[in-house]
Amino acid sequence: EVQLVESGGGLVQPGGSLRLSCAASGFTFSSYEMTWVRQAPGKGLEWVSYISSSGSTIYSADSVKGRFTISRDNAKNSLYLQMNNLRAEDTAVYSCVRVSATLFSYYFDYWGQGTLVTVSS
Amino acid sequence: DIQMTQSPSTLSASVGDRVTITCRASQSISSWLAWYQQKPGKAPKLLIYKTSSLESGVPSRFSGSGSGTEFTLTISSLQPDDFATYYCQQSNSYSWTFGQGTKVEIK
Repeated sequence: EVQLVESGGGLVQPGGSLRLSCAASGFTFSSYEMTWVRQAPGKGLEWVSYISSSGSTIYSADSVKGRFTISRDNAKNSLYLQMNNLRAEDTAVYSCVRVSATLFSYYFDYWGQGTLVTVSS
Repeated sequence: DIQMTQSPSTLSASVGDRVTITCRASQSISSWLAWYQQKPGKAPKLLIYKTSSLESGVPSRFSGSGSGTEFTLTISSLQPDDFATYYCQQSNSYSWTFGQGTKVEIK
């Protein structure tokens, strides 16, 4: 059974940093691209950042570019999101998501339950 | 970035109704569209990918169609378990975006 379990969320002051982690199990982690998706309270879904299976290719949304860094450790079956210079608008549940693809169609087939990040003074 | 616009934002329907949700892209995304269902407090669930491919285990009452800039998700006969919020998502470029969501409510 595919499992994605996030950790590391919490309350942080504006300008602060947090590092989110995602422990993956139930599939060959090193074979899959991964991504982070966030959802602000009561709002819709927002894609945050993507990383290729090897970690060599990374893409991020403009809203987090230069502040958030996605990474992975395939030996530990883990995905990370380093978040710096946090803003109030970054307050959201952050979910670790597995990416699958068919030709050029990328879709998110397994989601973690998410970890809440609250940015407030 | 490609903008995705769903309509309606809220839909009131009864069990057994045929329901259609529309998703429009600000530019052509070929067939690179997926649909997700989300229930309160739960993670989204993949329903359909590449416009019309049904994810394994998803009931056949769900179907998707479209191409280019206009896409639809249809539920042929709404069931009690289908009351939820639905999101479309494009993957035409590596700046993936979601629609704002359509909440399907009980009429």
